[in-house]
Amino acid sequence: KAGVTQTPRYLIKTRGQQVTLSCSPISGHRSVSWYQQTPGQGLQFLFEYFSETQRNKGNFPGRFSGRQFSNSRSEMNVSTLELGDSALYLCASSGKTGAMDSEQYFGPGTRLTVT
Amino acid sequence: KQEVTQIPAALSVPEGENLVLNCSFTDSAIYNLQWFRQDPGKGLTSLLLIQSSQREQTSGRLNASLDKSSGRSTLYIAASQPGDSATYLCAVEVWDTGNQFYFGTGTSLTVIP
Repeated sequence: KAGVTQTPRYLIKTRGQQVTLSCSPISGHRSVSWYQQTPGQGLQFLFEYFSETQRNKGNFPGRFSGRQFSNSRSEMNVSTLELGDSALYLCASSGKTGAMDSEQYFGPGTRLTVT
Repeated sequence: KQEVTQIPAALSVPEGENLVLNCSFTDSAIYNLQWFRQDPGKGLTSLLLIQSSQREQTSGRLNASLDKSSGRSTLYIAASQPGDSATYLCAVEVWDTGNQFYFGTGTSLTVIP
């Protein structure tokens, strides 16, 4: 079974631009979560989608948004990029059906560099 | 807010040693705890998932325990190998309006041949 895939793997953008990252979960998984990883802050939760609905959101500004499509694929968008948005963005999928106790599987991440 | 701490932050051991990594969390109302490893610049690989009703899980040379009441988990690695060198992260799952994981800052492990 194919794992979680993320595209692109690397991105270089300029301050003020916007960016869209994509995540394809494991087939059959309906929950997709996004995380930002930086050396200073570690892994921080951005948001979780389940069946096209955002169920939970971390403490990030409104410049960070996302969506999930009917096939469970998810996109994350960051508008008006800042230098501090440079990070590894990780997506995770899980087979949970709305309850808990289900393992998360991570993709390889998208390395975003803002110059 | 849930806070997850991992001690030590870095660990260097000779090959063949048994070792223990520690994870503590502040709120015992968790649903499960998951241990991951992360190689430099890569995503996370799931190692073990301990559900809230369980006390431990084992996979090969790895054994993880969970004590919810004291807010602690340990990851035991037996007979360490150079290929075990990586950063090990623990994450606790809570339920708010949806599922959310809180991660520790990790333990960077180096196994010296």
